Amino acid sequence: GENVEQHPSTLSVQEGDSAVIKCTYSDSASNYFPWYKQELGKRPQLIIDIRSNVGEKKDQRIAVTLNKTAKHFSLHITETQPEDSAVYFCAAPGANNLFFGTGTRLTVIP
Amino acid sequence: DSGVTQTPKHLITATGQRVTLRCSPRSGDLSVYWYQQSLDQGLQFLIQYYNGEERAKGNILERFSAQQFPDLHSELNLSSLELGDSALYFCASSPTWSSGSKNEQFFGPGTRLTVL
Repeated sequence: GENVEQHPSTLSVQEGDSAVIKCTYSDSASNYFPWYKQELGKRPQLIIDIRSNVGEKKDQRIAVTLNKTAKHFSLHITETQPEDSAVYFCAAPGANNLFFGTGTRLTVIP
Repeated sequence: DSGVTQTPKHLITATGQRVTLRCSPRSGDLSVYWYQQSLDQGLQFLIQYYNGEERAKGNILERFSAQQFPDLHSELNLSSLELGDSALYFCASSPTWSSGSKNEQFFGPGTRLTVL
């Protein structure tokens, strides 16, 4: 099955700086890569996703890049704000479900 | 609001007991997934159902079982509960599952289980 690794496990940035979270996957056939944000005590919510036919996708302050050759994808958050503080999970598809990374706890320091 | 509902929101019980968690998927979604999230841990995939049939199994203990009913709601049964079973249990749903679809999963609010 798919193996997803996520780094770093924790990340602290100053408000206004950028944050980058990286994930690698093992199955070269994987074609859909979502990112979820989970605030404390709440459910994971999809914030952005990318399909394998594009290399980059942006939505306001967040962007995801995909390198299929290297089998890794990254989440970029620019101009971070305190409300960006949360745990972020990447995921990649298996045959019947999504395999999630272990999560990155992002703290934005005001 | 994702459209996925879970009941109860909180559940406190004792070791050795059995509980049932309930999930109603978004209208039209055929796939239901169950995840366990222990304190400060990631999302551990337990099991998936598609249109009433078990589709995939993850790290689900033999003490745990699930089913999906004809109206597509799903129940996760946890028995002989242990202290280590205390966790957040999330249900998610998606319209279907195929390599050609987007396969976005929508998560419910979760059930927090505390085993004393």
